[in-house]
Amino acid sequence: EIVLTQSPATLSLSPGETATLSCRASQSVSSQLAWYQQKPGQAPRLVIYDASNRATGIPARFSGSGSGTDFTLTISSLEPEDFAVYYCQHRTNWPLTFGGGTKVEI
Amino acid sequence: EVQLVESGGGLVQPGGSLRLSCAASGFTVSSNCMSWVRQAPGKGLEWVSLIYSGSNTYYADSVRGRFTISRDNSKNMLYLQMNSLRAEDTAVYYCARGRRDTSVFEYWGQGTLVTVSS
Repeated sequence: EIVLTQSPATLSLSPGETATLSCRASQSVSSQLAWYQQKPGQAPRLVIYDASNRATGIPARFSGSGSGTDFTLTISSLEPEDFAVYYCQHRTNWPLTFGGGTKVEI
Repeated sequence: EVQLVESGGGLVQPGGSLRLSCAASGFTVSSNCMSWVRQAPGKGLEWVSLIYSGSNTYYADSVRGRFTISRDNSKNMLYLQMNSLRAEDTAVYYCARGRRDTSVFEYWGQGTLVTVSS
């Protein structure tokens, strides 16, 4: 099983700042990594797929990078609606796994 | 517009069974990768099961042999039959559709809560 480790667990920032979230895989997942955003009481929302592709409707301030075992989600100039929990997920083999999440808070 | 609406959650005793349903609209379930993902209260996301358009199915180790994913093409529905339920199965269960028949979950339902308790 591929273990995805996200860091930091919590990121305390202010609107307008840049958030840098990390996801590290226990073995290579190539570029088969996605990022999801989840707000309290809501379903997750796809943000980035295949490491660096923005999902439909996702603003350009969200960007993803990385390949192999190290990945980054960057949110530039944070907007109030960006404060949420972010999860990474691989689809390289079975079982699919998610990281433990990073909470971006004010 | 793509919509996914889960139902069938509720309170069940340990060892009991429950069947979750996911009503899909705006697309054809049989032509897409569909999955169940759960989230225990206050915890992170956990993938549970998946069915591809070609009908291949996959399960997390924690549910294999107890849960069964299926679909009804005529009703455009996805199901999760859950047997031998345990307290650790307590979670919100989300139905999700994969992007272009992959396990990138592009659309999600709002979830249905399953509580396993005596």
